[in-house]
Amino acid sequence: DTGVSQDPRHKITKRGQNVTFRCDPISEHNRLYWYRQTLGQGPEFLTYFQNEAQLEKSRLLSDRFSAERPKGSFSTLEIQRTEQGDSAMYLCASSLAEGRTEAFFGQGTRLTVV
Amino acid sequence: AQSVTQLGSHVSVSEGALVLLRCNYSSSVPPYLFWYVQYPNQGLQLLLKYTSAATLVKGINGFEAEFKKSETSFHLTKPSAHMSDAAEYFCAVSVPRSSASKIIFGSGTRLSIRP
Repeated sequence: DTGVSQDPRHKITKRGQNVTFRCDPISEHNRLYWYRQTLGQGPEFLTYFQNEAQLEKSRLLSDRFSAERPKGSFSTLEIQRTEQGDSAMYLCASSLAEGRTEAFFGQGTRLTVV
Repeated sequence: AQSVTQLGSHVSVSEGALVLLRCNYSSSVPPYLFWYVQYPNQGLQLLLKYTSAATLVKGINGFEAEFKKSETSFHLTKPSAHMSDAAEYFCAVSVPRSSASKIIFGSGTRLSIRP
């Protein structure tokens, strides 16, 4: 296992289009996180899963955002009707359950909405 | 709810000088604390973590941090800066033994190294 994998690494889309990102966590990790990061800022929490259950979703997340982890393995993050303000780096991380262990991050997907 | 505050969005030191990056946390219970480093266009890499064992934690690349409960701080230090240390550094907090815990990050400190 080589770590957390995210696909694609870069995505350019036109405003109003839908986009979907994929994250493959480290295989034995049952917790999976999605974060958004804009230039010069820290990662902003979006949502996280324990196995297939979505335990929390940020109140900052609009209804245009949805995430799934159908079999408790990989996860997808979909953004519908993209807006220019959605342009950011989307980071996925995974960890063992409990806050004791650190989260391991993927390389991120950089989204540019034009 | 837990949170972290990183004092100083940008720190510049000379090569060979002491590095000190400040982090203060807020948590209703004793937290777990982390420092991560991020290089341009990369994901985050763990430098070190505090999980209620020794208060002085040693990490990779010569970094260390000390948990001070009385000051609610977890400052990151390195005795001698190298050019390769130039990066963005993030302090993070999570709540232990909680089924609803998540990792919350600070806004980051950009470290620049002067030759």
